[in-house]
Amino acid sequence: KNQVEQSPQSLIILEGKNCTLQCNYTVSPFSNLRWYKQDTGRGPVSLTIMTFSENTKSNGRYTATLDADTKQSSLHITASQLSDSASYICVVNQAGTALIFGKGTTLSVSS
Amino acid sequence: GAVVSQHPSWVICKSGTSVKIECRSLDFQATTMFWYRQFPKQSLMLMATSNEGSKATYEQGVEKDKFLINHASLTLSTLTVTSAHPEDSSFYICSARDSGRDYEQYFGPGTRLTVT
Repeated sequence: KNQVEQSPQSLIILEGKNCTLQCNYTVSPFSNLRWYKQDTGRGPVSLTIMTFSENTKSNGRYTATLDADTKQSSLHITASQLSDSASYICVVNQAGTALIFGKGTTLSVSS
Repeated sequence: GAVVSQHPSWVICKSGTSVKIECRSLDFQATTMFWYRQFPKQSLMLMATSNEGSKATYEQGVEKDKFLINHASLTLSTLTVTSAHPEDSSFYICSARDSGRDYEQYFGPGTRLTVT
């Protein structure tokens, strides 16, 4: 069954700290993996997109990694800010035919 | 970057009435658009795939007579919730696939529907 599982379900960190979110998937065939940030009441915004051959990709303070062999990905947030408080969703593109969504990790950054 | 807009951003309607939500790709053509539904603290759930000039493909369990989708042009898809009920209250998000950018998919800002 094609699934995307994320952990933790929720996370609370202090402003300025780093954190890492995890994503495991069983989607096949694989096209690419995306991380989205979704603020409350807003649509998802793309952070990174990685294909099979890419191991890491950065977007500012966000760094995503991909291990296609173990089917795992992580999103590392450096020097967190209050505005990073949001839901982070891992999405796997099933060979251009469908997007399989994870349930997301809710991140709360407190001062 | 590619922009997808939705209108309205929020709407309140009475039970039994119909509501139309528009999804537009502003700077690219989208032969395919998608409609999602999201309940609080849950992930997006695909409702239907909308293809320009043809009938939409609905996911299992989604009533096509209740959620009418029209994709009349390469930049516009509409979702009409007919005879809305309180359980239809949800966050509806559309996305558009840009065939010119390796089929990248861009999401709209969402529409909050509240049925009273």
